[in-house]
Amino acid sequence: KNQVEQSPQSLIILEGKNCTLQCNYTVSPFSNLRWYKQDTGRGPVSLTIMTFSENTKSNGRYTATLDADTKQSSLHITASQLSDSASYICVVRPGRGSYIPTFGRGTSLIVHP
Amino acid sequence: DGGITQSPKYLFRKEGQNVTLSCEQNLNHDAMYWYRQDPGQGLRLIYYSQIVNDFQKGDIAEGYSVSREKKESFPLTVTSAQKNPTAFYLCASTGVTNTGELFFGEGSRLTVL
Repeated sequence: KNQVEQSPQSLIILEGKNCTLQCNYTVSPFSNLRWYKQDTGRGPVSLTIMTFSENTKSNGRYTATLDADTKQSSLHITASQLSDSASYICVVRPGRGSYIPTFGRGTSLIVHP
Repeated sequence: DGGITQSPKYLFRKEGQNVTLSCEQNLNHDAMYWYRQDPGQGLRLIYYSQIVNDFQKGDIAEGYSVSREKKESFPLTVTSAQKNPTAFYLCASTGVTNTGELFFGEGSRLTVL
């Protein structure tokens, strides 16, 4: 069964600090992996996409990594801001034309001033 | 502007009543999805549709119904058969030619009184 596991479940950090969120998946075959940011009471928004051949991709203060051999991804947030407080969801899309992605449960990040 | 619109944002229902949540997109996307989100849980797939006049059950379809009469519209009806309907509902769409990015609406929060 395709699964996506995220850790930690929740995280509290001080403004200006860095943090790293983890995502492990068993989805196979694999097409791509996305990290979404979901603000409270809003719909998720895509931050980054990683394909099989990519190892690292940055989007401003967000840097995603992918190790397709170990089926692990991470999202690193640099110099956190209060607006980073949100849920971060790892979503893996399977290959072979499937349109049904598998969602992780998300990591709830709280950034304190 | 292109996007996906859900309405209403908040909805209250008495037990035994059916309610319909609206989802409209002007992104010309073929695939549309309905998800349910409960606190501390990941998004769970209710129904999805890859083409007009066709839809498939997701993981938790019991007590829900959908229709896809137009490409732009994918309404979800929460029936009285759904035993625990209080939740946050998210509609999403994606094109078949892109890399699978899901575009989400802002969500509809249903509360059963």
